[in-house]
Amino acid sequence: GAVVSQHPSRVICKSGTSVKIECRSLDFQATTMFWYRQFPKQSLMLMATSNEGSKATYEQGVEKDKFLINHASLTLSTLTVTSAHPEDSSFYICSARETASGGDETQYFGPGTRLLVL
Amino acid sequence: QQPVQSPQAVILREGEDAVINCSSSKALYSVHWYRQKHGEAPVFLMILLKGGEQKGHDKISASFNEKKQQSSLYLTASQLSYSGTYFCGTARSSGNTPLVFGKGTRLSVIA
Repeated sequence: GAVVSQHPSRVICKSGTSVKIECRSLDFQATTMFWYRQFPKQSLMLMATSNEGSKATYEQGVEKDKFLINHASLTLSTLTVTSAHPEDSSFYICSARETASGGDETQYFGPGTRLLVL
Repeated sequence: QQPVQSPQAVILREGEDAVINCSSSKALYSVHWYRQKHGEAPVFLMILLKGGEQKGHDKISASFNEKKQQSSLYLTASQLSYSGTYFCGTARSSGNTPLVFGKGTRLSVIA
């Protein structure tokens, strides 16, 4: 199957700082990527849909000014958590689906980024 | 709208079978099944598209009943490696549609 990578896998930062998380599709192009957040023992909750070359679409309740998304190329989307606070500590996971015609509907997840804000 | 998964948790002995259900009140285009182990990202198991189909590989299979908007994941002759939390993700249309995940079913297989 297709491979999605994320970097970093784990990050610890001080409250008030910003953290950037990268999501890359390694062997396919993706015009759309999705960012999810998962708190301990809970389900994956969609935060936003990242669209290449245009603005991201945010889910209700997700602050677009706090979670900045940039999808500058067909293989890279970035999520920046600005002015992070302890309540932002979570497991952030991206997913992508191959854009090419004939690509199946499967959404492939990256390995996730565990963020801890002190 | 979030699909409903049942049961919430199940404990099996090695070799036993289990069924996990996922249902939606809305019409679905596809149902995706994932398994997540503690501290890791979800791993894709299989996808079922509308039209009502059944899929399977090895001892894990799934069905999708389009009329009932329900999918079931079947685990047969369970192995210790099957332990984890199983999530169904649903999409209401094809294309670049995000998945909406159920709350998950925690499966524990014991020796």
